[in-house]
Amino acid sequence: QKEVEQNSGPLSVPEGAIASLNCTYSDRGSQSFFWYRQYSGKSPELIMFIYSNGDKEDGRFTAQLNKASQYVSLLIRDSQPSDSATYLCAVNRNTGNQFYFGTGTSLTVIP
Amino acid sequence: GAVVSQHPSWVICKSGTSVKIECRSLDFQATTMFWYRQFPKQSLMLMATSNEGSKATYEQGVEKDKFLINHASLTLSTLTVTSAHPEDSSFYICSALVWDYEQYFGPGTRLTVT
Repeated sequence: QKEVEQNSGPLSVPEGAIASLNCTYSDRGSQSFFWYRQYSGKSPELIMFIYSNGDKEDGRFTAQLNKASQYVSLLIRDSQPSDSATYLCAVNRNTGNQFYFGTGTSLTVIP
Repeated sequence: GAVVSQHPSWVICKSGTSVKIECRSLDFQATTMFWYRQFPKQSLMLMATSNEGSKATYEQGVEKDKFLINHASLTLSTLTVTSAHPEDSSFYICSALVWDYEQYFGPGTRLTVT
């Protein structure tokens, strides 16, 4: 079983819609959770992190964490064509350097 | 967010030569840095974890004698690809750890070995 799993997509949504990206993880001891955006040919960019159960909002982005079900999701409201990218979910087991990345979900926002 | 730089952003070298890539944390000190490699349309692959003042920890299957990592200061880690071959052509990305939780990536270095 992979540490972090994501649907590779591609996920297509029309401009202005809500894009929903999901991620599950296997280790219940995981402490912190991250969403990165990676444009083609570029390095990943941190867009959100969440540590506690519930929702965390930042602009058009909302991260949702459910530790009991071991999933974390990212909602992108009012999706824009510039949101088209691969979104990587990452999980940190403990403080320190044990990070696990999913393989990413490709999102296309159609104008 | 924290800023991480890499140099060079791209490099072309001949087979058999060595290439050094620098990774710097610009506005913070990084005890821990990571080195990744990414082939086209594939996911990130962690190569090694670099800790300041100590030897790097390499992932299984990564040749430590080929990919030399030095983390001599709290703001600089270097990756040297020794005796590069065309199959080493890839996108090399470093990242730095902030507050022991958050990982910020550099812009990456595209290596082409001819």
